[in-house]
Amino acid sequence: QVTLRESGPALVKPTQTLTLTCTFSGFSLSTSKMCVSWIRQPPGKALEWLALIDGDDDKYYSTSLKTRLTISKDTSKNQVVLTLTTMDAVDTATYYCARAFRNYGLFDYWGQGTLVTVSS
Amino acid sequence: DVQMTQSPSSLSASVGDRVTITCQASQDISNYLSWYQQKPGNAPKLLIDAASNLETGVPSRFSGSRSGTDFTFTISSLQPEDIATYYCQQYENLPFTFGGGTRVEI
Repeated sequence: QVTLRESGPALVKPTQTLTLTCTFSGFSLSTSKMCVSWIRQPPGKALEWLALIDGDDDKYYSTSLKTRLTISKDTSKNQVVLTLTTMDAVDTATYYCARAFRNYGLFDYWGQGTLVTVSS
Repeated sequence: DVQMTQSPSSLSASVGDRVTITCQASQDISNYLSWYQQKPGNAPKLLIDAASNLETGVPSRFSGSRSGTDFTFTISSLQPEDIATYYCQQYENLPFTFGGGTRVEI
């Protein structure tokens, strides 16, 4: 049974760095065809893909956010960590992690999401 | 980046109606197009991949098709449980990109 769960702060101040953790079970991120992505959704708005990391430790990032994003994994802990620097109010969103297996862009399992609000 | 233009942004229909949502890609993405359903307060759920392939367990009233860079998502007979926002997404090119979403109401 595949599950993913996001964790991290609910509130961050402007200019701070956000660190989110995705803890998963039911699959291994040691398999080269497996990957985990982060996707976010501002309140009432559309989904935005942010980053992915695969079993080979290859990483890919959103074009507009790549200078601020870092994705990493701890295979032994079954965790994927996302950091987003220089947080701003426009980064307020629900952040999801999601698994892809058949194709890197097909997200078949999602976490429930975690709402992060940026406010002083 | 590939731009995905989805329309309409919202629609209202009656139970039993046929509902159609369209998505246009800014460049050729072959069949690498998926559709997700998102109910309020929930994570998105993958319904269709490869433009027209229904995921296991998804009711057959949902379908998808492709014509060039234009993609169509159809609910043949709208049910109350289909109230949700639907998103298209291309996965032919990184970065993956989503359409703006279509809110379906009754």
